[in-house]
Amino acid sequence: EVQLVESGGGLVQPGGSLRLSCAASGFTFSSYWMHWVRQAPGKGLVWVSRINSDGSSTSYADSVKGRFTISRDNAKNTLYLQMNSLRAEDTAVYYCAREKREQQLLMDVWGKGTTVTVSS
Amino acid sequence: AIRMTQSPSSFSASTGDRVTITCRASQGISSYLAWYQQKPGKAPKLLIYAASTLQSGVPSRFSGSGSGTDFTLTISCLQSEDFATYYCQQYYSYLITFGGGTKVEIK
Repeated sequence: EVQLVESGGGLVQPGGSLRLSCAASGFTFSSYWMHWVRQAPGKGLVWVSRINSDGSSTSYADSVKGRFTISRDNAKNTLYLQMNSLRAEDTAVYYCAREKREQQLLMDVWGKGTTVTVSS
Repeated sequence: AIRMTQSPSSFSASTGDRVTITCRASQGISSYLAWYQQKPGKAPKLLIYAASTLQSGVPSRFSGSGSGTDFTLTISCLQSEDFATYYCQQYYSYLITFGGGTKVEIK
């Protein structure tokens, strides 16, 4: 079964850091581009970041550029999101998602999400 | 960034109804448009991509149409499991953007 499982969320103070993980199984992780998408409480979906299959190319939303870093470890089938200088507005459920083969920028498999709360 | 505007933001419907949701892009995106369904507390689920292609396993009562800037998602005969929030997403630009969502509620 194709599966993505996020972890690492929690409560952090403004200005703090957190690293999210996304464990992939049931597919050849190293062949797929991956994304992070977030959803603030009661709000819509917002794309955060994208990484190519070997980790050599990344892109970010303007709102997180310079603060967040996406990375991956293909040997461990795991995607990461390092979040620094966190702000209250970063509070959200963070989903990792797989990019559909042959359809760039389209996400066909999503994890259940992990919750990040930024508050003092 | 390309702005995606959905309408309506919410509405009530009954099982068996035919419902249509609209999504408009702030600039032309060809057919690089996807629709997702999200239920409370759950991850989004891909329903349609390339504006009108049904993702594998999605019931045929779902259909999509449009190109350029105007798109629609239609559910031909609303079922109880279809009450959810629907999002459109453009993937024409690498700066992916989603619509604000349309919540379909039970009348």
